[in-house]
Amino acid sequence: SSELTQDPAVSVALGQTVRITCQGDSLRSYYASWYQQKPGQAPVLVIYGKNNRPSGIPDRFSGSSSGNTASLTITGAQAEDEADYYCNSRDSSSNHYVFGTGTKVTVL
Amino acid sequence: QVQLVQSGAEVKKPGASVKVSCKVSGYTLTEVSMHWVRQAPGKGLEWMGGFDPEDGETIYAQKFQGRVTMTEDTSTDTAYMELSSLRSEDTAVYYCGSATYYYDSSGYYSHDAFDIWGQGTMVTVSS
Repeated sequence: SSELTQDPAVSVALGQTVRITCQGDSLRSYYASWYQQKPGQAPVLVIYGKNNRPSGIPDRFSGSSSGNTASLTITGAQAEDEADYYCNSRDSSSNHYVFGTGTKVTVL
Repeated sequence: QVQLVQSGAEVKKPGASVKVSCKVSGYTLTEVSMHWVRQAPGKGLEWMGGFDPEDGETIYAQKFQGRVTMTEDTSTDTAYMELSSLRSEDTAVYYCGSATYYYDSSGYYSHDAFDIWGQGTMVTVSS
């Protein structure tokens, strides 16, 4: 089955820009979706498809993709953006799904 | 308002089974594709299985094949996930999540996303 690899942790200064990447072979065939999870809470969808944001998600969140890598960018990070972020996509060898390993974002 | 409300925490002994429920409100179960995801303490998200509208079947992650059963009761708009032969490694928070599927102008699958999540159910397996 496919794997999606993310950097374990990144930090960003308040108001600056941070990019979180997700690598995996399945991303050559499928879009990634991105989820924000704060401690003790359920995940929240922040980006899906080519670069779509659900209602209520600030426009400082954006997504992009190239080859086997999908990226989530937070432009002008806020303190409330401090959380774990997970990518997700279908497995290119089956109809199953796989989550990335997760990235902890710290806002300094 | 669309919501998924899960059943309460469970404590089970090794070898037992657990059945977690997820009630849909704000729409009907027949309108969504329900999936289940778990998260062990301090670990990442793990997809367990769910309904695939492309095939019209429930699909399970290979890791859980033979041990997990996902069912739905459309009369009460409630989805269930039952996991059997529990072991300590199954201690986790179990989430239900509804997926929305998107298609292009020709009707072909484009992408999907788990857009609504339940609050999670903590299952503890301990002797």
